[in-house]
Amino acid sequence: AQTVTQSQPEMSVQEAETVTLSCTYDTSESDYYLFWYKQPPSRQMILVIRQEAYKQQNATENRFSVNFQKAAKSFSLKISDSQLGDAAMYFCAYRKNTGNQFYFGTGTSLTVIP
Amino acid sequence: EPEVTQTPSHQVTQMGQEVILRCVPISNHLYFYWYRQILGQKVEFLVSFYNNEISEKSEIFDDQFSVERPDGSNFTLKIRSTKLEDSAMYFCASSGQGNQPQHFGDGTRLSIL
Repeated sequence: AQTVTQSQPEMSVQEAETVTLSCTYDTSESDYYLFWYKQPPSRQMILVIRQEAYKQQNATENRFSVNFQKAAKSFSLKISDSQLGDAAMYFCAYRKNTGNQFYFGTGTSLTVIP
Repeated sequence: EPEVTQTPSHQVTQMGQEVILRCVPISNHLYFYWYRQILGQKVEFLVSFYNNEISEKSEIFDDQFSVERPDGSNFTLKIRSTKLEDSAMYFCASSGQGNQPQHFGDGTRLSIL
């Protein structure tokens, strides 16, 4: 069964600093997708970044980047130059290559300190 | 940018009553989903819908639940006889293709009394 684990319920970072959110997952599949979603207090989940498992290169989206370690089944999110607007709940998610079901982690609540 | 919209934002219902949660997916999307998030817990998949039929569902999605796309724009989740444990935030999502990222709505908070 696929499981996604986020071991950090809460994290905080000083504005303009860098923070890394951890995510590990368990799967027997070789091809799959990984995502980070952000859920601000307004509640709508917004896609932050996506990684295809067959790609070795880590995905990057402006200040957001991932460290994808396939063998270790680790998918951490790095936020550089943190901004106040980055404060939110961050969810790591997994999806098999076949099928549409997302498996979410329990989330990490990120606080950005001015 | 197009968004997934959900109504109502908050629904309060007596236990045992039927409730319908409504969603308007992004207009050119083909895949539709419902998720729920019990307070303090992870987001859980309920069901995916494509080509007017359920393509995948989880163990949570039992006979009490049903989904429907009654017209070209709405996608609804019906809970026939609500239970206290159905209290949760329900998220609708849509995607253009099955392997594309899902876009989520703001959610409907369902409170069962």
